[in-house]
Amino acid sequence: DQQVKQNSPSLSVQEGRISILNCDYTNSMFDYFLWYKKYPAEGPTFLISISSIKDKNEDGRFTVFLNKSAKHLSLHIVPSQPGDSAVYFCAASVSNNLFFGTGTRLTVIP
Amino acid sequence: NAGVTQTPKFQVLKTGQSMTLQCAQDMNHNSMYWYRQDPGMGLRLIYYSASEGTTDKGEVPNGYNVSRLNKREFSLRLESAAPSQTSVYFCASSAIRIYEQYFGPGTRLTVT
Repeated sequence: DQQVKQNSPSLSVQEGRISILNCDYTNSMFDYFLWYKKYPAEGPTFLISISSIKDKNEDGRFTVFLNKSAKHLSLHIVPSQPGDSAVYFCAASVSNNLFFGTGTRLTVIP
Repeated sequence: NAGVTQTPKFQVLKTGQSMTLQCAQDMNHNSMYWYRQDPGMGLRLIYYSASEGTTDKGEVPNGYNVSRLNKREFSLRLESAAPSQTSVYFCASSAIRIYEQYFGPGTRLTVT
C-alpha cells in the first residue's frame, strides 16, 4: 500500500506562472518530507526538504508547504521556467527508510 | 568528482541467470542504498547500508543480495533473475541525513 501518494501524474504550466505539485501521505510517523527532481535517463536529484515540525521551507524559487493535520505537502515553483520540466517525486522518511510517491511530470510551456 | 556511478547502464537477462549490479561513490558518504523503480510504483528501497560492514533490508528485498565491499562500493546481486525483476535500478548514497541522497544514473534491467 502506497504510503506516499501523488495523485496527479502530469501538470502543464505556462512559463512565468506558478507550478503547484501536491502530495499526500498516510504514515503520521514520517519525520522529514522532501522533493526530488528527475530528468530522463538520470537519477533523481534532491531539491528541497522540510522537517515535520515546520510548515514551510523556502529555497529560491522553490517553497515546500506541510499541512500535518491534512497529511499533505505541496511544492510551489515561482516563477516556472522551461528548465523545470521534469518528473518530481515527493518522498518521506522514517526509521532509515525513504518512501517515494509515483511522481508528477511537470511540463513548463515557453 | 563523478558522484555516484553505476554499471552496467543496460542489461538483458534470461530467467534464471544471475548478475551483479555495481555501484560506487566518491563523496566519502557513509550510507548507500539500492532502489528499484517500476511504472506507477515510484522508487522502492531494496537494501541499504548505513555504514561500511552493515546492510539492512528495505521494503522489497526478496530475490536480492547485497555486499558493501568497502566505503565506496555497494553491489546488488540477483542470484536467479525473474521477469518480475525487470525494472530500473538506482543506487544512492548519503552523508549523514538519509533524505539528502545522491543518486546514480540507473541500470535498466530486462529479464525475459
